[in-house]
Amino acid sequence: QSALTQPASVSGSPGQSITISCTGTSSDIGGYNFVSWYQQHPGKAPQLIIYEVSNRPSGVSNRFSGSKSGNTASLTISGLQAEDEADYYCFSFTSSTTYVLFGGGTKLTVL
Amino acid sequence: QVQLQESGPGLVKPSGTLSLTCAVSGGSISSSNWWSWVRQPPGKGLEWIGQIYHSGSTNYNPSLKSRVTISVDKSKNHFSLELTSVTAADTAVYYCATYDFWTSHAMDVWGQGTTVTVSS
Repeated sequence: QSALTQPASVSGSPGQSITISCTGTSSDIGGYNFVSWYQQHPGKAPQLIIYEVSNRPSGVSNRFSGSKSGNTASLTISGLQAEDEADYYCFSFTSSTTYVLFGGGTKLTVL
Repeated sequence: QVQLQESGPGLVKPSGTLSLTCAVSGGSISSSNWWSWVRQPPGKGLEWIGQIYHSGSTNYNPSLKSRVTISVDKSKNHFSLELTSVTAADTAVYYCATYDFWTSHAMDVWGQGTTVTVSS
């Protein structure tokens, strides 16, 4: 099964809001509320920022929020800051033999 | 809080076997987590390799399944990855991570990653 589909890049200015989409199928995103999002700065390990579609782990800024509609999940970052510049990956459980799937990743540039 | 640390050779010859270990500290490998391996080729995205439960149950990425073995050693509180018949396409940063299937359904703890290069 192919990876979940994310835009290759998004950009925004400090203080603005951006949204990153993650599109799957009814076997993964559409079928379960098991979508998570990860932030990865260059040379660093990924860090969990959203789990189960819209929950934030302790310590993660409330500027990060998640949602889902049908087969598409979304990550919204409000009040963009320079430190938000990173790669973002979605991830979902799937009922297919692949078991879990990552999105292809989205590079966020803060202008 | 569980911490993970990958270790293993940084250079593997083509057609050889890549072997990595992930040491678990701050918790028991017999806890309710699934223990996972993820890799990231240079300049590319994340790829899930597979995972193991302390009981020995495993799930593998179908695209790698014929070459991958993940095992757990409870006595050493670590788990391991073996990838056979490697090629340059297996060059990547390899991460170990916990997959919390029961609560968050997410990979909530990651190791720092270890770079493996396949080259003669």
